[in-house]
Amino acid sequence: AQSVTQLDSQVPVFEEAPVELRCNYSSSVSVYLFWYVQYPNQGLQLLLKYLSGSTLVESINGFEAEFNKSQTSFHLRKPSVHISDTAEYFCAVSDRVYGGSQGNLIFGKGTKLSVKP
Amino acid sequence: ETGVTQSPTHLIKTRGQQVTLRCSSQSGHNTVSWYQQALGQGPQFIFQYYREEENGRGNFPPRFSGLQFPNYSSELNVNALELDDSALYLCASSLGGTRGGIEQFFGPGTRLTVL
Repeated sequence: AQSVTQLDSQVPVFEEAPVELRCNYSSSVSVYLFWYVQYPNQGLQLLLKYLSGSTLVESINGFEAEFNKSQTSFHLRKPSVHISDTAEYFCAVSDRVYGGSQGNLIFGKGTKLSVKP
Repeated sequence: ETGVTQSPTHLIKTRGQQVTLRCSSQSGHNTVSWYQQALGQGPQFIFQYYREEENGRGNFPPRFSGLQFPNYSSELNVNALELDDSALYLCASSLGGTRGGIEQFFGPGTRLTVL
C-alpha cells in the first residue's frame, strides 16, 4: 500500500525567507502527487499536482514542487514566504484507479508552516 | 459553477447515537469521496462513490456507510458513535470515467464532536 511521510510536523520561518516542506512517498508504479493547503477551520485547497511530464510543477502563488522518482520525493518550496502562507500543508499520493473513477488520496500527517514577521 | 458544499458545519452527538452528514458535489462531477481528519492528523480515506455505487473503501468498520443519489450528492452515515469518531469529515468531488481527471475538490468539512 502507498504511504506518505512528511518529515517535519512544524516549520517556523520568518517572512521573506525561503522554505522547503519535505514529502516522501512509498514507491509504486505510476503515481500522482499533490500538495494541499488547509487554512484554520477550512477544508483542503489544491496547491499543485504532478500527474506526468515536467518534474517541476508550479502554483499561481509562488510555490513549486519537484517530483524526484529516484528519491521518491515531492518536496514543496517557496523562495520567499508571506504571512498569508501560514497554514497546514498536506502532501498526498493517489492510489490505484478503481474501475472508471479515480483512486483515493493517501495523505501525510501534514506540516504546519508558521510565518513570522 | 457551484463548489462542494457540506452540511451541517458543526455537530455534537453522544456515544451510541447515529449521525448523517451530507455533501453536494461540484456541478458536473459524478464521484464523491469521504475522508476523516482527526485532530492533528492528515485525512484518511473512508470510501468513494461513483455513479451511485461504492467504488473503494478504506480501513473503516461497517458502521460507516454511505449513499450517493442520482444528482450525485452523497451522505455519510455513522452508527453507534464512539468518542474516536470525533473529527472533521471532508467530502471531495471529482469527475470519473474516461473524460475525468485526477483532481478532487474538497468541501469545507463537517466538524463532529462525540461526547
